[in-house]
Amino acid sequence: GNSVTQMEGPVTLSEEAFLTINCTYTATGYPSLFWYVQYPGEGLQLLLKATKADDKGSNKGFEATYRKETTSFHLEKGSVQVSDSAVYFCARKGGSEKLVFGKGTKLTVNP
Amino acid sequence: DAGITQSPRHKVTETGTPVTLRCHQTENHRYMYWYRQDPGHGLRLIHYSYGVKDTDKGEVSDGYSVSRSKTEDFLLTLESATSSQTSVYFCAIRSHREGETQYFGPGTRLLVL
Repeated sequence: GNSVTQMEGPVTLSEEAFLTINCTYTATGYPSLFWYVQYPGEGLQLLLKATKADDKGSNKGFEATYRKETTSFHLEKGSVQVSDSAVYFCARKGGSEKLVFGKGTKLTVNP
Repeated sequence: DAGITQSPRHKVTETGTPVTLRCHQTENHRYMYWYRQDPGHGLRLIHYSYGVKDTDKGEVSDGYSVSRSKTEDFLLTLESATSSQTSVYFCAIRSHREGETQYFGPGTRLLVL
């Protein structure tokens, strides 16, 4: 089917730690892939995206590479900050101009 | 900021009452979407619209209806609210400048007692 699976949280890290949030997808072909972030009490914001295989999306120190061989789009950041505490959603383009979302991963960064 | 507002931002209602949520956008985007967000489920698509008077169902459309009589407004109606519809509702648009990217409103928190 068409789905997105991301690692279950919550994830708790200390400031300046390395972050990886895994995301894999199932799809026919090579859909565009996205990471969204949701800060407490707010809507989702686009963090980064990649539209074709081997593309790397990056923003605010976060990166994710579109890996068609492993159907993955893992989110990474080398040194997290307290302000990165949020819920992160992986998504893929679905049919009929829709997005299919993962269930979200809550990240807490402690000082 | 894609110029999306939602109203109301918070609402408490009773089981069996009708509820309408409004999504308003100012940038003439063709595609609009309604999602609900629940713990353990992420975001699930309720309905979407691809133009004035053109709408279609998402994966969790039962108990919801929508209307789009003008480009800027997309209304979500719960005809007879149930406790299972307690959720946070998000509206989104698909940017006509950025292809497939969707941008989200701030959300409406609905509590059905």
